[in-house]
Amino acid sequence: EAAVTQSPRNKVAVTGGKVTLSCNQTNNHNNMYWYRQDTGHGLRLIHYSYGAGSTEKGDIPDGYKASRPSQENFSLILELATPSQTSVYFCASGDGQGIEQYFGPGTRLTVL
Amino acid sequence: SQWGEENLQALSIQEGEDVTMNCSYKTYTTVVQWYRQKSGKGPALIILIRSNEREKRSGRLRATLDTSSQSSSLSITGTLATDTAVYFCATDAPNTDKVVFGTGTRLQVSP
Repeated sequence: EAAVTQSPRNKVAVTGGKVTLSCNQTNNHNNMYWYRQDTGHGLRLIHYSYGAGSTEKGDIPDGYKASRPSQENFSLILELATPSQTSVYFCASGDGQGIEQYFGPGTRLTVL
Repeated sequence: SQWGEENLQALSIQEGEDVTMNCSYKTYTTVVQWYRQKSGKGPALIILIRSNEREKRSGRLRATLDTSSQSSSLSITGTLATDTAVYFCATDAPNTDKVVFGTGTRLQVSP
């Protein structure tokens, strides 16, 4: 069965620290996405990727970097975490425009 | 923003009732997807309707699409407590592989 997994599931970080969120998919999808979800804003796209080695900026990329070292793995990196980045982060995979995206279970990040 | 009227709202109903959620969007789309997100989980697609379809059914779900008014609706008949979730509509952003999500409708179904 198609699956997207995320780690860690919960993370507490300090302001100014570095945080890496990891995502793995077994769907063999070319595209992968990172979203954050905040009350009142729904899901907002941070970064996405078309395949290994590619990363693209989404709608709210400031303060975030992304890395796609392989078809299966996509990481979201917060070099200098801030309290405003406290949120729930979702990774998703998909095969392109108009096609279903498969989401992971989410990572709850708290930046103190 | 891709969205016209905000579709963020909260609905509270009793089991067995029917419910309809609406969303409107600003720019052309080839498909509208409806996702359901249960508490503590990621969103999951429940129904997808393409621009050449006016209606799509799947079990107790019915989606409609009106491209002239750029609006879509999701209806659930005979709701169950397990339908309690947040429902998002989503459209594709033209010439990209991105999906744009609305802010969602929170549905609470009481037994």
